[in-house]
Amino acid sequence: EPEVTQTPSHQVTQMGQEVILRCVPISNHLYFYWYRQILGQKVEFLVSFYNNEISEKSEIFDDQFSVERPDGSNFTLKIRSTKLEDSAMYFCASTWGRNSYEQYFGPGTRLTVT
Amino acid sequence: AQTVTQSQPEMSVQEAETVTLSCTYDTSESNYYLFWYKQPPSRQMILVIRQEAYKQQNATENRFSVNFQKAAKSFSLKISDSQLGDTAMYFCALRPPKDGETSGSRLTFGEGTQLTVNP
Repeated sequence: EPEVTQTPSHQVTQMGQEVILRCVPISNHLYFYWYRQILGQKVEFLVSFYNNEISEKSEIFDDQFSVERPDGSNFTLKIRSTKLEDSAMYFCASTWGRNSYEQYFGPGTRLTVT
Repeated sequence: AQTVTQSQPEMSVQEAETVTLSCTYDTSESNYYLFWYKQPPSRQMILVIRQEAYKQQNATENRFSVNFQKAAKSFSLKISDSQLGDTAMYFCALRPPKDGETSGSRLTFGEGTQLTVNP
């Protein structure tokens, strides 16, 4: 069964550094999402992406964040200058259509900013 | 704004018994979708069951069923004949209407309930 994959599973970085989190959505899916979960808190929506542009973003998704689909298979989340409070689990999800019921989630990348 | 609340951080149940996980939510929409996702130790989030708010009938998927109380804005998950493989974090989630106006298709999650099934 096709699944969403994410790399790396764990990323440790120093404050102020740039990080890129990578996701490979399911191949025929058209909508892509990033969510994050700070330890002990809720899973929060960051951004959705369709047709090579952001379709919706939350208030969390400020200028430090960007997303890209560089090559038709990968979907990346970049954090330009990491802060301690960016430490979280980041989940990628994809779905075939905007009104599809199920968003298929990847296993997550744990980002630790020191 | 939409909110989802799961007031049970942890629950445990004996194998083969039944357990109910609670979820309440708030939304100004009259139509929306509700979901339960399961996140086992492998971390992959898996959809367990969904409910369309316009349907009065409670959704059922094998051993999993929901008790959807629209007026009370309550959406609980019942797991019957619990199995060791049901041990996981369970998240309740809400999504705006199918033709979502300004809210788009984002999911709003609850805090999660860690369920442990004991042998």
